[in-house]
Amino acid sequence: EVEVVESGGDSIQPGGSLRLSCAISGFSVSRIDMTWVRQAPGKGLEWVSIIFNGGGITSYADSVKGRFTISRDSSANTMFLHMNSLRADDTALYYCVAGPKNAYWGQGAMVTVSS
Amino acid sequence: QAVVTQEPSLTVSPGGTITLTCGSSTGAVTSGHYPYWFQQKPGQAPKTLIYDSSNKHSWTPARFSGSLLGDKAALTLSGAQPEDEAEYYCLLHYSGSGVFGGGTQVTVL
Repeated sequence: EVEVVESGGDSIQPGGSLRLSCAISGFSVSRIDMTWVRQAPGKGLEWVSIIFNGGGITSYADSVKGRFTISRDSSANTMFLHMNSLRADDTALYYCVAGPKNAYWGQGAMVTVSS
Repeated sequence: QAVVTQEPSLTVSPGGTITLTCGSSTGAVTSGHYPYWFQQKPGQAPKTLIYDSSNKHSWTPARFSGSLLGDKAALTLSGAQPEDEAEYYCLLHYSGSGVFGGGTQVTVL
């Protein structure tokens, strides 16, 4: 059975840093593309970042480029989102999306950026 | 960054058929944008319905179908059920990055 579980969400002040984790069971994180998607309260979905399988090439939305870094640890079968210089408009529920053809979504990790 | 457009809201009668569309500010949507469609119900995580324009996951009900229609991607719901009332999002890919549409709220009434 496939499981996707995010963790690391928190309330944090503007300018701070946070690391989200996405633990996967049921397949290897190194063999599939994995994506972070976020949803601000009451708003639509926003694509954030992807790490491709194989060589681990990454891509970012313009809104987070230079501040967020996506990575993975194959030994722990976990993906990460390192978030720096957080702003109020980064407040959102962050979903991990994994598996062949974005099949599986976690339940999300809430990040609140507020002073 | 490209802008992806969807109808804000649509209404369908139970048993009826409805088509949602997904357009791109850069021009025609093609298979090279690898269009996806997702369904999200209130308080739940999204669910992936369609990938690569028209392919379904094992859990996608047969009444949903995806296609390229003119210069847009399309999601057609044939034989709408009350449980299909939800927000539907399309996702297009541009050189490795993704952009979601604003979502379409579908009401079954």
